[in-house]
Amino acid sequence: DAGITQSPRHKVTETGTPVTLRCHQTENHRYMYWYRQDPGHGLRLIHYSYGVKDTDKGEVSDGYSVSRSKTEDFLLTLESATSSQTSVYFCAISASGGNQPQHFGDGTRLSIL
Amino acid sequence: AQTVTQSQPEMSVQEAETVTLSCTYDTSENNYYLFWYKQPPSRQMILVIRQEAYKQQNATENRFSVNFQKAAKSFSLKISDSQLGDTAMYFCAIRDNAGNMLTFGGGTRLMVKP
Repeated sequence: DAGITQSPRHKVTETGTPVTLRCHQTENHRYMYWYRQDPGHGLRLIHYSYGVKDTDKGEVSDGYSVSRSKTEDFLLTLESATSSQTSVYFCAISASGGNQPQHFGDGTRLSIL
Repeated sequence: AQTVTQSQPEMSVQEAETVTLSCTYDTSENNYYLFWYKQPPSRQMILVIRQEAYKQQNATENRFSVNFQKAAKSFSLKISDSQLGDTAMYFCAIRDNAGNMLTFGGGTRLMVKP
């Protein structure tokens, strides 16, 4: 299995608080991704990174920011959490684009009350 | 923009039988890649099989195979000799040649019955 660790695995917080989710990889892969999973929507891309300090927006980026200061770490931040951001968040990594599959972490369940 | 549609929200199959999950997609790219992922109750996302659009031969991985119809933009997954461990959500996904975006369908929940 790809070496991907997401932390925390579960979090409950209140509306308006900042939240940071961490994704750590041991595979030295160039690409890292953050997705959210909601019923009926499959997984939707929030942001991705194609190198240290190189990031770009995905399909549902509003309300989220990311940072990648090291190859192995990709952080997802909710500056002021809202109830609509209650979801399961997945990190994924990929060695390169094209036919290389993305390998996923185990997910973080985030509940915003 | 790419879209993926899985028209079967839920399916069931008897153990040892064969089941086919449907997936259609839309893309303006000529070169792209298609994937099926499995998500069991443990929530892990597990790659099942992948197909390059420029390859006409259908991909096969043990009991899993695909029927790739490029002109029809269809990419169905066939599971042979279904096992109880195949019970899961199955997601179809497309990735363009640049590889920066993986677009998923809404998923099909498969139940394998003993």
